[in-house]
Amino acid sequence: RKEVEQDPGPFNVPEGATVAFNCTYSNSASQSFFWYRQDCRKEPKLLMSVYSSGNEDGRFTAQLNRASQYISLLIRDSKLSDSATYLCVVNGKTSYDKVIFGPGTSLSVIP
Amino acid sequence: DAGITQSPRHKVTETGTPVTLRCHQTENHRYMYWYRQDPGHGLRLIHYSYGVKDTDKGEVSDGYSVSRSKTEDFLLTLESATSSQTSVYFCAISESTVRNQPQHFGDGTRLSIL
Repeated sequence: RKEVEQDPGPFNVPEGATVAFNCTYSNSASQSFFWYRQDCRKEPKLLMSVYSSGNEDGRFTAQLNRASQYISLLIRDSKLSDSATYLCVVNGKTSYDKVIFGPGTSLSVIP
Repeated sequence: DAGITQSPRHKVTETGTPVTLRCHQTENHRYMYWYRQDPGHGLRLIHYSYGVKDTDKGEVSDGYSVSRSKTEDFLLTLESATSSQTSVYFCAISESTVRNQPQHFGDGTRLSIL
């Protein structure tokens, strides 16, 4: 089993749709979780951290389920500008545990 | 945006030549990382640094070396470039690795080895 797995995608959705991405991780000791977005031929950029209680930033909601070892990202009212690849990122428990990037899920928002 | 500058942004070179990529940060962050990104593989860690002169290998370190003589600079060297090292290279920094301290990335270097 890969350390971090994501929905394979691609996701093609119309403007205004709600879309959800899921990510599972294998290390139950993982402590930190993030969602990044990466535009074509650009660097990954932090979208949001994922907290145990769940968190929301405008149209974006991230949730963590430690028991099932998955995190999710919900995008409401999709915009054309949301088209990108979304990367799930998981940190280990200790200072030197490596950061694991998921393979990413591609989203295309269609007019 | 985090103060991270990668140079060069693009480079084309020939097999067997040495190549050095530079990452410069103005954030005074302790941790610096070098990744490569290839289609079908996602981001893979090459080397990372947890302080001046303190570095360690990542999952794809063969053929690469690094140096960090100053907090702000992290160099990645390909001693003898091969075509398999054609990739996009990203530098990243983080303040620490404790909970909820994310990494921030530079713009990337596109390297082609002919």
